[in-house]
Amino acid sequence: AIRMTQSPSSLSASTGDRVTITCRASQDISDYLAWYQQKPGKAPKVLIYGASTLQSGVPSRFTGSGSGTDFTLTISCLQSGDFASYYCQQYDSYPLTFGGGTKVEIK
Amino acid sequence: EVQLLESGGGLVQPGGSLRLSCAASRFIFSNYAMSWVRQAPGKGLEWVSAIGSSGASAYYADSVKGRFTISRDSSNNTLYLQMNSLRAEDTAVYYCAKDSGEQDAFDLWGQGTMVTVSS
Repeated sequence: AIRMTQSPSSLSASTGDRVTITCRASQDISDYLAWYQQKPGKAPKVLIYGASTLQSGVPSRFTGSGSGTDFTLTISCLQSGDFASYYCQQYDSYPLTFGGGTKVEIK
Repeated sequence: EVQLLESGGGLVQPGGSLRLSCAASRFIFSNYAMSWVRQAPGKGLEWVSAIGSSGASAYYADSVKGRFTISRDSSNNTLYLQMNSLRAEDTAVYYCAKDSGEQDAFDLWGQGTMVTVSS
């Protein structure tokens, strides 16, 4: 199985900050990577797919980059509604796998 | 509004069985692969199983292989997960998720149903 390693596992930031989360795959997954946001008690919501394509309706302050094994999710100007957990997921091959998650908390 | 609605969760004893359902509405269910994803209390997301759009192919995480069976009924737009030989470590919120294609990102999620395995 492809292992997805996300870092950091948590971070504290302030509104307006630029935040970067990284995800590393244990083998080449091309651009078959998605990023999800999850708020407490709610289902995840897709932000980015194809490593860098913004899902319809998602604000442009979210950007994804990378290919192969190394990927990044950047939130350019953190808003109050962005404090949540974020997960990467590879869909290159089964079994599908998620990163361990990054909790973005208010500083 | 397009949506997925899970049901069937509850409390079950170790070794017991449970069948989850996920009713899909307002999209062409038979066009998309579907998955089950779970989340243990306070933990991250874990993919459990997927089924192709036609139902001909199914995939499982090693942790549930041989115990869980995924199926779908396109006549009533419903996805199922039959869970047998349940263990304490299967305790989680179970989400159904719609694939945006045949093996792509999940673009629609249900609200989740809680499964608790305990004596």
